[in-house]
Amino acid sequence: NAGVTQTPKFRILKIGQSMTLQCTQDMNHNYMYWYRQDPGMGLKLIYYSVGAGITDKGEVPNGYNVSRSTTEDFPLRLELAAPSQTSVYFCASSYGLAGTNTGELFFGEGSRLTVL
Amino acid sequence: TQLLEQSPQFLSIQEGENLTVYCNSSSVFSSLQWYRQEPGEGPVLLVTVVTGGEVKKLKRLTFQFGDARKDSSLHITAAQPGDTGLYLCAGRLNRDDKIIFGKGTRLHILP
Repeated sequence: NAGVTQTPKFRILKIGQSMTLQCTQDMNHNYMYWYRQDPGMGLKLIYYSVGAGITDKGEVPNGYNVSRSTTEDFPLRLELAAPSQTSVYFCASSYGLAGTNTGELFFGEGSRLTVL
Repeated sequence: TQLLEQSPQFLSIQEGENLTVYCNSSSVFSSLQWYRQEPGEGPVLLVTVVTGGEVKKLKRLTFQFGDARKDSSLHITAAQPGDTGLYLCAGRLNRDDKIIFGKGTRLHILP
C-alpha cells in the first residue's frame, strides 16, 4: 500500500533555480493538498485541489504553482527559488465525493527543500 | 492572523500526569481533526470530530468538539513517554474545502 508518495525526499537549490516536487496517491482520493512546515511550526496551506482540472490557492501561494491533470498526481512547482522557501513540504490527500470532503488527511513523508 | 489557535505551544510534564491541549477559533468548522507528528515524518490522523459537543476516546486520549464547532480540546490521562510528539489540530471551514492547521503543541513527557 503506497498511499501518498512524494519525491524527492531531499533537495538543495540555488537562488533563482526552478524545480517540481512530485506527489502521487493511489487511493483514488479527489482532494489533494500541499503544505509547508517551517521548523517547530504547524502546517501552512499552499494550494489545494478538489478534483482533476481544479486547483485553488491556500494561505501562502506566492512563489508556487500547481496543476492537477489526473486524479493521482498533484505536482508543486517552484519557479524562482528563494531562501524563504526553505522548508519541509508535505503533500496530502483526503476522501470525499463532491461537497463531502471528510477532511481526514493522509500525508506523504515530506520533501525537505533548502535554498541557498 | 492564525485562524486556529493552539495552546499551549510547549508542554513538558512528568509521566503519570494529566494534560489538556486546546484548539480555538472564531470560525465555525464542519469537521476538526487531531494529528500527531513524529520528527522526520508526516502527521498521522488521531481522530475526527464532526458534531457539536461530540466526545471521542482513544485509549487514554479524550477529544471534545465545542458545542458551536469553533473549538476543541485533547485531554491525555496518565501521560506516558510514548505520548511525546507534536500534536496538531486542523479544521475544514464550513462550506469550504480548505483544511487549515494550528501551530501545534509540542509535548514532552519526562520518565
